[in-house]
Amino acid sequence: AQSVTQPDIHITVSEGASLELRCNYSYGATPYLFWYVQSPGQGLQLLLKYFSGDTLVQGIKGFEAEFKRSQSSFNLRKPSVHWSDAAEYFCAGTGANFGNEKLTFGTGTRLTIIP
Amino acid sequence: DSGVTQTPKHLITATGQRVTLRCSPRSGDLSVYWYQQSLDQGLQFLIQYYNGEERAKGNILERFSAQQFPDLHSELNLSSLELGDSALYFCASSVGGVETEAFFGQGTRLTVV
Repeated sequence: AQSVTQPDIHITVSEGASLELRCNYSYGATPYLFWYVQSPGQGLQLLLKYFSGDTLVQGIKGFEAEFKRSQSSFNLRKPSVHWSDAAEYFCAGTGANFGNEKLTFGTGTRLTIIP
Repeated sequence: DSGVTQTPKHLITATGQRVTLRCSPRSGDLSVYWYQQSLDQGLQFLIQYYNGEERAKGNILERFSAQQFPDLHSELNLSSLELGDSALYFCASSVGGVETEAFFGQGTRLTVV
């Protein structure tokens, strides 16, 4: 079955420290993969997406993610976090077939930033 | 502001009742998606419409239905409500399919009492 897994429910990092949020996927073929961020009381905002090509994807707000087929992973990274990055982060995926529009979300990782 | 408008923002209703959630997509977007977010189920895809037609279906209960109108706004109808239907319901819109960026509304928080 197609699935997206985020192993970490909650991560705490210091402001200015680097960040890596993990995401693993299970799809028959290379899926479309996404990272979204949800601030408290807000809807989701797309940070970045991967469809094909360069496996290192740049997104908004200084985020990047790397697609690793051998590890079935699509981890999100940021070299230096800011207090405003505190939010819930969701990895999502869908089968890369026309008409297969079902976007499957991971359970989310809550990011806390400490001064 | 994502440009996607959802009304109402909050809704409190009793079990067994029926409610309608409304979504106005961004101007020019043809696709509308509905998602349910709850503490125990997480974010679940419910259904997608593209230019008035149903395009994909997820974990949508038979008690729930949706439609997209000619002006492209969409409504999600929830009937015979149960306590477990309490959740945040998001609408998102995009120009095309899932390969195009989806913009999310701020959601409708439904509380069933």
